[in-house]
Amino acid sequence: QTVVTQEPSFSVSPGGTVTLTCDLSSGSVSTNYHPSWYQQTPGQAPRTLIYNTNTRSSGVPDRFSGSILGNKAALTITGAQADDESIYYCVLYMGGGIWVCGGGTKLTVL
Amino acid sequence: QVQLVESGGGVVQPGGSLRLSCAASGFTFSHYGMHWVRQAPGKGLEWVAFIRFDATFKLYADSVKGRFTISRDSSKNTLYLQMNSLRAEDTAIYSCAKQSGNYYYMDAWGTGTTVTVSS
Repeated sequence: QTVVTQEPSFSVSPGGTVTLTCDLSSGSVSTNYHPSWYQQTPGQAPRTLIYNTNTRSSGVPDRFSGSILGNKAALTITGAQADDESIYYCVLYMGGGIWVCGGGTKLTVL
Repeated sequence: QVQLVESGGGVVQPGGSLRLSCAASGFTFSHYGMHWVRQAPGKGLEWVAFIRFDATFKLYADSVKGRFTISRDSSKNTLYLQMNSLRAEDTAIYSCAKQSGNYYYMDAWGTGTTVTVSS
């Protein structure tokens, strides 16, 4: 069974930079998995941040960026703000119509 | 704007059934694939099922295969999830999501409906 692993939690200071990662149990994450990233706050629907590894969704500030770092997908937030405090999920497309979601990273800004 | 509104959740006993609905608006429903995704209490997202825009292709997570059925009615702009043989581990918030037309990601989500499986 394919497992996608994210850091359970992360903390960043206001104005700081943080990189969240998305790892694959069966090997390296590449652009072939079309990594996408979503932000969710309690009680709200997830908001799409990044798709196709590094494309920002409409209206997403450029302080959010996506990439492949080593063998993982990565979401970098530069100049973190208080309202970036959320849970961040990555989703990978495994092919054949199968998607797998990561467990999410709870980001604290303090 | 795109709007997805789920309904049909509730409390059901183990072994029971439930049908969820997702009413779509703000886009041409018949042109897009759709997903169901769930989130168990205190857990992350879990992709559940996908249906192609024309319903000719459906796929399920192993955890629900053989028990859940995804379907759609484009005349009603509605997505469904029929859930049978429910188990305690199916307890979750179930959300529908719209597949992007051009890339492999979900570009709109609903807020979800809660399913609780308990005796």
